[in-house]
Amino acid sequence: DQQVKQNSPSLSVQEGRISILNCDYTNSMFDYFLWYKKYPAEGPTFLISISSIKDKNEDGRFTVFLNKSAKHLSLHIVPSQPGDSAVYFCAASDSGGGADGLTFGKGTHLIIQP
Amino acid sequence: GAGVSQTPSNKVTEKGKYVELRCDPISGHTALYWYRQSLGQGPEFLIYFQGTGAADDSGLPNDRFFAVRPEGSVSTLKIQRTERGDSAVYLCASSLSGTAPGKFFGPGTRLTVL
Repeated sequence: DQQVKQNSPSLSVQEGRISILNCDYTNSMFDYFLWYKKYPAEGPTFLISISSIKDKNEDGRFTVFLNKSAKHLSLHIVPSQPGDSAVYFCAASDSGGGADGLTFGKGTHLIIQP
Repeated sequence: GAGVSQTPSNKVTEKGKYVELRCDPISGHTALYWYRQSLGQGPEFLIYFQGTGAADDSGLPNDRFFAVRPEGSVSTLKIQRTERGDSAVYLCASSLSGTAPGKFFGPGTRLTVL
């Protein structure tokens, strides 16, 4: 049973526009969430995270929004750039992002079109 | 290099054989994680080390899988009697103990069991 769900396997966005990647979770014990970006043949690269005590975290072009009541989070990338084309994984932790394993979604392949 | 390194990058073996996969974490990182990523899936947690000891091995799929970290730095994931279903990318990650936000991943070892 998938505890972290990314229901869109792929997303195509025009360069310069906003990319919105969505993630849903079922485990109410999750209290820390992370987004990773992955290029082919490379390991995931950490992008941005959010604690469950917040509902928004921003870092440059990346903003993560958390809606705890809906068990939903989203990653906004604006403006989208060609280098943003990659697979994006949502991950969750139930230990405040501390020392435990993460639960990942299946990923969304973001394609930025010129 | 300063990142997490994994060797070999690719490993092809025959069903029933034994394999060892190596992970060199970032210097000074006391926490080390192994994940497995099958085709079309997100990374799946296998085991977590804090120092030399396995703090959580709940993700290991069965007793054919074993991991060690004898000196609290390099870790080896060992798979006995490999099966075709073990084919996947095995990812290693490290982090400072109990810190957020994220874990730093290596590039992975692609294991193919024929």
